[in-house]
Amino acid sequence: DQQVKQNSPSLSVQEGRISILNCDYTNSMFDYFLWYKKYPAEGPTFLISISSIKDKNEDGRFTVFLNKSAKHLSLHIVPSQPGDSAVYFCAASKGGSEKLVFGKGTKLTVNP
Amino acid sequence: EAQVTQNPRYLITVTGKKLTVTCSQNMNHEYMSWYRQDPGLGLRQIYYSMNVEVTDKGDVPEGYKVSRKEKRNFPLILESPSPNQTSLYFCASRLQGFGEKLFFGSGTQLSVL
Repeated sequence: DQQVKQNSPSLSVQEGRISILNCDYTNSMFDYFLWYKKYPAEGPTFLISISSIKDKNEDGRFTVFLNKSAKHLSLHIVPSQPGDSAVYFCAASKGGSEKLVFGKGTKLTVNP
Repeated sequence: EAQVTQNPRYLITVTGKKLTVTCSQNMNHEYMSWYRQDPGLGLRQIYYSMNVEVTDKGDVPEGYKVSRKEKRNFPLILESPSPNQTSLYFCASRLQGFGEKLFFGSGTQLSVL
């Protein structure tokens, strides 16, 4: 049972445009959501997070939106840069529990 | 520099030969965890530890062992590796508490022939 789903394995955008990465979850008990970025030959690194009491969190070019009724979150990158090309993982946890559930990842390619 | 260090980065072994992948963190984190990454499957948790001498199974613990004798170290042990354990392994750590983010090591690429 896949509790966190990233239905797009890959996404390609032009430099300067917006990248939108999507994530759906099935467990309504999840209350904390994170995005991690992973470059080849490196471990994932934390990008941005949001708790369920918010519907938006912004950090520079990165904004995460949470729609609790739809059990959906999205990561917006504006403007996209070639250095943003990486695999992006969505993750969720409930009640501050120790278990962080990851999606399968979306590979973003930003073309110059 | 704050980091999670895994060794080795690459390992090729044969079926049945016991191996250990080491993981060490210098951030005094209570929580540590092991994940494996496989194509099309994302990151799956193998084992985690909430503190010294406290470990628990993740989603895919079969064929693996862990120990947490010291706060900074969390080795992953494959007693009898099999080809289906060929994967990219990540160790991660974080402080306890809601909202604390995970820090990952650089990964260990394991091939079991």
